Amino acid sequence: QKEVEQNSGPLSVPEGAIASLNCTYSDRVSQSFFWYRQYSGKSPELIMSIYSNGDKEDGRFTAQLNKASQYVSLLIRDSQPSDSATYLCAAPLVYNFNKFYFGSGTKLNVKP
Amino acid sequence: DVKVTQSSRYLVKRTGEKVFLECVQDMDHENMFWYRQDPGLGLRLIYFSYDVKMKEKGDIPEGYSVSREKKERFSLILESASTNQTSMYLCASSLPLGSGRANTQYFGPGTRLTVL
Repeated sequence: QKEVEQNSGPLSVPEGAIASLNCTYSDRVSQSFFWYRQYSGKSPELIMSIYSNGDKEDGRFTAQLNKASQYVSLLIRDSQPSDSATYLCAAPLVYNFNKFYFGSGTKLNVKP
Repeated sequence: DVKVTQSSRYLVKRTGEKVFLECVQDMDHENMFWYRQDPGLGLRLIYFSYDVKMKEKGDIPEGYSVSREKKERFSLILESASTNQTSMYLCASSLPLGSGRANTQYFGPGTRLTVL
């Protein structure tokens, strides 16, 4: 198993719907997770981080961490066409917090 | 705001050339990173540095070297460019573990390198 895995998509949702993006992880990464958004041709930008089991909300975005099942999710409520991008999940290694692993990203298409 | 800049947005080089990619950050971050991003492979760590003159290999260091003579600047060097090094190169910086928003990595705009 890769350290961090994501479904490459594309995930298509209609405007206004909830988009659910998922990421699974191995025992080799620490339980600090970061969600990045990357528009085509641009560099990744941080959306939010989550360190504790449960939910963390920031505006339309909610990150969910389930340590027992080893997955982390990002929910986008009221999806907008401007949310169309690739979403990357990232986490540092347990034994080296400076060394990050990124998932390959899930491409989200929000259709007007 | 954190600002990470990279010397070139697009670069075209020939096989065998020595290539320098420069990255500068203005937030006094200790950690700096070089990644390459390829379709289907995601971001892969080439090298990172946790202090001036300190470096550590990432997952794909072969064919690359780095230099960090000043805290704000981290250079990636392709010793002899090859066509399989054609890629998007991304630089990032972060505070070390234990500081405020520890581990959040801030990315530069990227350099798209083509080796002919």
